[in-house]
Amino acid sequence: RKEVEQDPGPFNVPEGATVAFNCTYSNSASQSFFWYRQDCRKEPKLLMSVYSSGNEDGRFTAQLNRASQYISLLIRDSKLSDSATYLCVVTNTDKLIFGTGTRLQVFP
Amino acid sequence: SQTIHQWPATLVQPVGSPLSLECTVEGTSNPNLYWYRQAAGRGLQLLFYSVGIGQISSEVPQNLSASRPQDRQFILSSKKLLLSDSGFYLCAWKEYGGAPSSYNEQFFGPGTRLTVL
Repeated sequence: RKEVEQDPGPFNVPEGATVAFNCTYSNSASQSFFWYRQDCRKEPKLLMSVYSSGNEDGRFTAQLNRASQYISLLIRDSKLSDSATYLCVVTNTDKLIFGTGTRLQVFP
Repeated sequence: SQTIHQWPATLVQPVGSPLSLECTVEGTSNPNLYWYRQAAGRGLQLLFYSVGIGQISSEVPQNLSASRPQDRQFILSSKKLLLSDSGFYLCAWKEYGGAPSSYNEQFFGPGTRLTVL
């Protein structure tokens, strides 16, 4: 089993739609959680950290469920510019573990 | 402000040839430095990390090596490339302090796309 699993997608949604991604992780001792965004052929960039109580940043909401070991990212009012691959990232004692990413394509 | 540079941006090398990829960081001191590889359809794999000059930790056995000759310089090398070494190589840094997994954000360089033929 992979340490971090994500549905690869692609998720094809129209502008204005709400879309949600889930990610599961296998190590219950994982300490920190993040969502990164990666545009095609570019480097990943931090989108947001994920806090235990859940957190929101504009149109983006992240949730953490430690008991079920999954993390979610909700994007409201999708924009064309949201098209990218979203990487779920989990830490354990000494390194970041990246999921393979979920691809989002927003169409007009 | 801090910036991270990687070069070259793209590289095509024959099997068996040597490799040297360079990464430099500006605007910070004593950063933690990382080398990742992203193969097609796969997640980022941590290859090496360094918490100081001359200090290198290897995450996976392979024919690659890393060195940190200066505080803000991180080099990835190979004596003989394999086909399986093809991929997108990313250097990253974070503020000094704590294990590589600690809370602080990692910032990635623009990457080097390596094709081994």
